[in-house]
Amino acid sequence: DTAVSQTPKYLVTQMGNDKSIKCEQNLGHDTMYWYKQDSKKFLKIMFSYNNKELIINETVPNRFSPKSPDKAHLNLHINSLELGDSAVYFCASSTTLTGTAFSGNTIYFGEGSWLTVV
Amino acid sequence: GENVEQHPSTLSVQEGDSAVIKCTYSDSASNYFPWYKQELGKGPQLIIDIRSNVGEKKDQRIAVTLNKTAKHFSLHITETQPEDSAVYFCAASIWGKLQFGAGTQVVVTP
Repeated sequence: DTAVSQTPKYLVTQMGNDKSIKCEQNLGHDTMYWYKQDSKKFLKIMFSYNNKELIINETVPNRFSPKSPDKAHLNLHINSLELGDSAVYFCASSTTLTGTAFSGNTIYFGEGSWLTVV
Repeated sequence: GENVEQHPSTLSVQEGDSAVIKCTYSDSASNYFPWYKQELGKGPQLIIDIRSNVGEKKDQRIAVTLNKTAKHFSLHITETQPEDSAVYFCAASIWGKLQFGAGTQVVVTP
């Protein structure tokens, strides 16, 4: 059973298009995240949601809009795709917000979605 | 905000030797320090973590040490095997944000 699953795994699209990446976790976690990994392998947080509420928006352009219909899902919609959006996008989840006073800080990552904008 | 630096960027070791990766962080309020292993085409997988109230933790061939005063932490892999070849990331966490280091490409040669 996949703990954090995201689709699609590969996505090639043209500049200006709108696309979505879906994410689901079956771990019963309250918190979900989106991370972006660039061509140099650098991993950077984009968003985090806790119980469907946006907690962190790390100065991501407005073209990126996360949607959390319930705490098990966090989808990422990207409008007007640009060449610089090409990257691997990772969905992740944890029991609670990592780095807080609570236990269960471990973040579990999905397998990634490879987005190529041409 | 938190800034995590990781060294070296690449590390080649002979099978059976030890590998050490070092990280430093800037925000003294960071309280959770995980290490992730990322294999080609896969997502990062947690291999070990340490919380700020602990100085050292070991799990079989892997150990992590934390020096809160100096704000640095290290990953030690002993008796390396070819399957240890991957990119390793350190991270420091504070209030919902996991800030990653730039990664270390570890290559274990037989």
